[in-house]
Amino acid sequence: QQQVKQSPQSLIVQKGGISIINCAYENTAFDYFPWYQQFPGKGPALLIAIRPDVSEKKEGRFTISFNKSAKQFSLHIMDSQPGDSATYFCAACSSGTYKYIFGTGTRLKVLA
Amino acid sequence: DGGITQSPKYLFRKEGQNVTLSCEQNLNHDAMYWYRQDPGQGLRLIYYSQIVNDFQKGDIAEGYSVSREKKESFPLTVTSAQKNPTAFYLCASSLGRRPGEQYFGPGTRLTVT
Repeated sequence: QQQVKQSPQSLIVQKGGISIINCAYENTAFDYFPWYQQFPGKGPALLIAIRPDVSEKKEGRFTISFNKSAKQFSLHIMDSQPGDSATYFCAACSSGTYKYIFGTGTRLKVLA
Repeated sequence: DGGITQSPKYLFRKEGQNVTLSCEQNLNHDAMYWYRQDPGQGLRLIYYSQIVNDFQKGDIAEGYSVSREKKESFPLTVTSAQKNPTAFYLCASSLGRRPGEQYFGPGTRLTVT
């Protein structure tokens, strides 16, 4: 019940295309859903996050869509650029435990 | 500059030796975390601490130990009991009062031979 399932494992997108990464969870106590971007050999950095009281959040080219009833959330990267090539992790956390549960990651490659 | 520092960036040890990884933050965050990252497995939680002098085991605590004597510092010891210690170790911190942004350090790559 503590797992966060992330798909796909890898993704190749043409420059200018839309990248979509999906995550699903079981624990309804989760109340914070961040997405992290990680470049090789570096620590992850927060990209965008959402709380369950909204269904969508947009920051620049990055959008989180959140479906509370389906227990799913997704990251959309619009106008994908080669510089977006990185590994993306979704995560979930609940106020009760402060434990962040991470998905297994999606390796995104944007072709120039 | 505020942030999290981890040292060293690369660490090599012989099998059977304990090794301590450093993590320091100057963000005045209450909560600190240690994760292990292996290829294709995402981030797995080793230990976390919500307050000084208190810490909890994560999902893979066996073979590791931590201390939290100061708010700024959360060192991780990889003991000889850890069967497969070679990995990329990441330290993180967050404000702690409500789930929110975690800030990650640059990581330490530990190789044990």
